[in-house]
Amino acid sequence: GEDVEQSLFLSVREGDSSVINCTYTDSSSTYLYWYKQEPGAGLQLLTYIFSNMDMKQDQRLTVLLNKKDKHLSLRIADTQTGDSAIYFCITGTASKLTFGTGTRLQVTL
Amino acid sequence: DAGVIQSPRHEVTEMGQEVTLRCKPISGHNSLFWYRQTMMRGLELLIYFNNNVPIDDSGMPEDRFSAKMPNASFSTLKIQPSEPRDSAVYFCASSPWDGGDYNEQFFGPGTRLTVL
Repeated sequence: GEDVEQSLFLSVREGDSSVINCTYTDSSSTYLYWYKQEPGAGLQLLTYIFSNMDMKQDQRLTVLLNKKDKHLSLRIADTQTGDSAIYFCITGTASKLTFGTGTRLQVTL
Repeated sequence: DAGVIQSPRHEVTEMGQEVTLRCKPISGHNSLFWYRQTMMRGLELLIYFNNNVPIDDSGMPEDRFSAKMPNASFSTLKIQPSEPRDSAVYFCASSPWDGGDYNEQFFGPGTRLTVL
C-alpha cells in the first residue's frame, strides 16, 4: 500500500519557526493535507495544497510541495505554545486518504 | 454547529463482550468514515459510507467488526466479541464530500476503547 513518512518528534522554542517534513509514495494525490490533533481531540484540517502548486501561504503557515521528490513540508512561523500538538501529513485520493504517523511538536519556553 | 459527536468517550470492557460505538455526523454531511488509531499502526480507515450506503469496508479487520448507518444522522461500529488487540481510539469523521478530488473530513473526539 501507499506510505507516508514523518519524523515522530520535533521540539522548538517559542517564537522560532517549526518545519515538519513528510515524504510520500502516492503520486495520484490531487490534494495533500496537513491536519492537527490536540491532546484528547480528533484531527482537524490545518491547511491543504493542490498538487499543481509548489507553495501555499496561510498566515503563519507555509506549505511547500516538491512533487518530483514526493516531499511535503509545513512551516509554522513564530511558533506558540498553543501550536503544541501532533501534525499529520495526509495524501491519497479523496476516497482513500493515507495518513502519516504524525509528528509531535513540542514548544518550549 | 455541534460537530461530530461520538459516544461513549471511554469504554472499558472485558474480552468477549460486545462493544457498540456511536457516531452522529454533522448535519448535511453525506459521507461518514470510521477510523482506528493505535500506536503501532497509526490511523487506519475501517469503513466509509456515502449517503448511508457502505462503499468501502476493506479496512474492517475481520468479521467481528460490523458497521451500520441506518439514517443520515447516526452510525454504529460494533465489535463482537471484543479482544484485547481491539484496544484503540476509534474516530468517526464526516464530510460534505461531493465525489470530487477534495475531501475535508471533520473528526469527532474519538472513543478510547480498552478491552481487558
